[in-house]
Amino acid sequence: EIVLTQSPGTLSLSPGERATLSCRASQSVGSSYLTWYQQKPGQAPRLLIFGASSRATGIPDRFSGSGSGTDFTLTISRLEPEDFAVYYCQQYGSSPLTFGGGTKVEIK
Amino acid sequence: QVQLQESGPGLVKPSETLSLTCTVSGGSISSYYWTWIRQPPGKGLEWIGYIYYTGVTNYNPSLKSRVTMSVDTSKKQFSLKLNSVTAADTAVYYCARAQITGDLDFWGQGTLVTVSS
Repeated sequence: EIVLTQSPGTLSLSPGERATLSCRASQSVGSSYLTWYQQKPGQAPRLLIFGASSRATGIPDRFSGSGSGTDFTLTISRLEPEDFAVYYCQQYGSSPLTFGGGTKVEIK
Repeated sequence: QVQLQESGPGLVKPSETLSLTCTVSGGSISSYYWTWIRQPPGKGLEWIGYIYYTGVTNYNPSLKSRVTMSVDTSKKQFSLKLNSVTAADTAVYYCARAQITGDLDFWGQGTLVTVSS
């Protein structure tokens, strides 16, 4: 199975700052099959980015995804108060579908 | 807008079977992969598997021996059964709709299932 390693585990930033989250795969993942989610406490995850770089419906353009092969990045250009949450990457380039361990973006 | 709602017991005894149902509203059940994911308290997400609307299934190998999924297209429902549960199966269980690429675009609110005597 493909293991996804997210770093850092926790990112402490202030509103207005830029957040860069990494997701590294143990094997190459086709870009069409790399997805990012945001999860807030007590809520289900929300789809942010699919196909490595396409924003889901209603997702603000401060969120962007990039990368290919084994290295993928989620960038939040300027953090808004509602962006402080846990972010997960996920792959389905090969079965089983797997998630990374998550990156928590917290207020500094 | 597609909505999903999980239902089922919140408490299951060890060695028994966990049973959950997800009801889909606001959209078709056809042509999608209906998925179960779980999240132990304070931990990350684990894919349990999916069932296609035709009944084809794909389970996580780590749970395959204990999982059964089914779908009832007439009721727009799909279900999860996980047998021989232990405390390690305590988690919030989510149902979700998946695209063929694995993107989980609609999720239920989740339901906490506790395994305890």
